[in-house]
Amino acid sequence: DTEVTQTPKHLVMGMTNKKSLKCEQHMGHRAMYWYKQKAKKPPELMFVYSYEKLSINESVPSRFSPECPNSSLLNLHLHALQPEDSALYLCASSQDGAKAQETQYFGPGTRLLVL
Amino acid sequence: RKEVEQDPGPFNVPEGATVAFNCTYSNSASQSFFWYRQDCRKEPKLLMSVYSSGNEDGRFTAQLNRASQYISLLIRDSKLSDSATYLCVVNMGEYGTGANNLFFGTGTRLTVIP
Repeated sequence: DTEVTQTPKHLVMGMTNKKSLKCEQHMGHRAMYWYKQKAKKPPELMFVYSYEKLSINESVPSRFSPECPNSSLLNLHLHALQPEDSALYLCASSQDGAKAQETQYFGPGTRLLVL
Repeated sequence: RKEVEQDPGPFNVPEGATVAFNCTYSNSASQSFFWYRQDCRKEPKLLMSVYSSGNEDGRFTAQLNRASQYISLLIRDSKLSDSATYLCVVNMGEYGTGANNLFFGTGTRLTVIP
């Protein structure tokens, strides 16, 4: 079983809704990541936090807003999404994001549908 | 040009067969390499890291050729449970910059047939 948990597992929202995705890890990792994965495509990096500071933002639209309240929690706030934002949103964590050989561990994902 | 390229397959092989996947990457400064496995509608899970000298884990062998910038995965004695998508993953972040920056290949779909 994964040690990275995500809630909710599934989410359906309208284009005017505001919702949040949550991710939690208890491995003592200091780097956490958000990825977006469309069907039959590889995961694409959205955000990276290292020691609770945003270190990489891959030019993601502002309708996605990440938040890292502490080293074990990561949120993704969603507002005014578009249908093309429907995807699997994966959270991952790694030791601290600074070492080349670090392994990233993925959560089970939140499957999002925007209507 | 994509940073990480893989043959998407699908590869359909009988149980007990040996199958090999290859992957090429564009950034010669890449530091680390991985194979992840992803089952349908599940998250990616680390299968193995890939080291310069090559490494083996049971029926799985990974090789890295830095000169040619390719990585391979060999699966021997395929089992039904090996059916999945295999993702080639390359860390292109520079060492020590705080950027564990993974690039994923599109994945190779494997189906092992009874």
